Amino acid sequence: GNSVTQMEGPVTLSEEAFLTINCTYTATGYPSLFWYVQYPGEGLQLLLKATKADDKGSNKGFEATYRKETTSFHLEKGSVQVSDSAVYFCALTRNAGGTSYGKLTFGQGTILTVHP
Amino acid sequence: GAGVSQSPRYKVAKRGQDVALRCDPISGHVSLFWYQQALGQGPEFLTYFQNEAQLDKSGLPSDRFFAERPEGSVSTLKIQRTQQEDSAVYLCASSISRGEGNQPQHFGDGTRLSIL
Repeated sequence: GNSVTQMEGPVTLSEEAFLTINCTYTATGYPSLFWYVQYPGEGLQLLLKATKADDKGSNKGFEATYRKETTSFHLEKGSVQVSDSAVYFCALTRNAGGTSYGKLTFGQGTILTVHP
Repeated sequence: GAGVSQSPRYKVAKRGQDVALRCDPISGHVSLFWYQQALGQGPEFLTYFQNEAQLDKSGLPSDRFFAERPEGSVSTLKIQRTQQEDSAVYLCASSISRGEGNQPQHFGDGTRLSIL
């Protein structure tokens, strides 16, 4: 079946540091890949997505590249801010066809704390 | 507002009681998903509706869990004879897609259910 593995957290960084959160996946076919973020007290929000190999998703300074050869979708940001403190979830869906209906399979989440 | 709305935000029930959780999806969204998120874990799929049709209920943990979406908009997740292991955050998400898998899901803030 499908699965997503994220690097274990929590991750603690100083402001302006470089961020990488690793994500690898196992899936049949060609999944779509997502990063969702959950800020304190808020619901899950889509951060970025990539729907085919070598696509790069980007938003708010975050980037992730769909690497089929390594089955990875690592999240990166060059300079984090205190306001980036949140829980980050890597997720996938199977693409069209079959009976997956686009349901998301999530990783366990990575807590990021950024200090001033 | 224009987002997914869930109610109540918090629900405390005694073991053995029945509970009902409500989800108002974004207007016009065809797909509706329910997920269960245990503490410190990523959300896990429960069930999927396309309009009023429940096309996938493979994630429901037992026959005590029941979901409906009778008019293709509002959905209710009902848990009968609650057990302590049912304590979790229940998330609802909607999507404009018909389950193709490459469109984002929009999440509500969730209902935190605590079973005493």
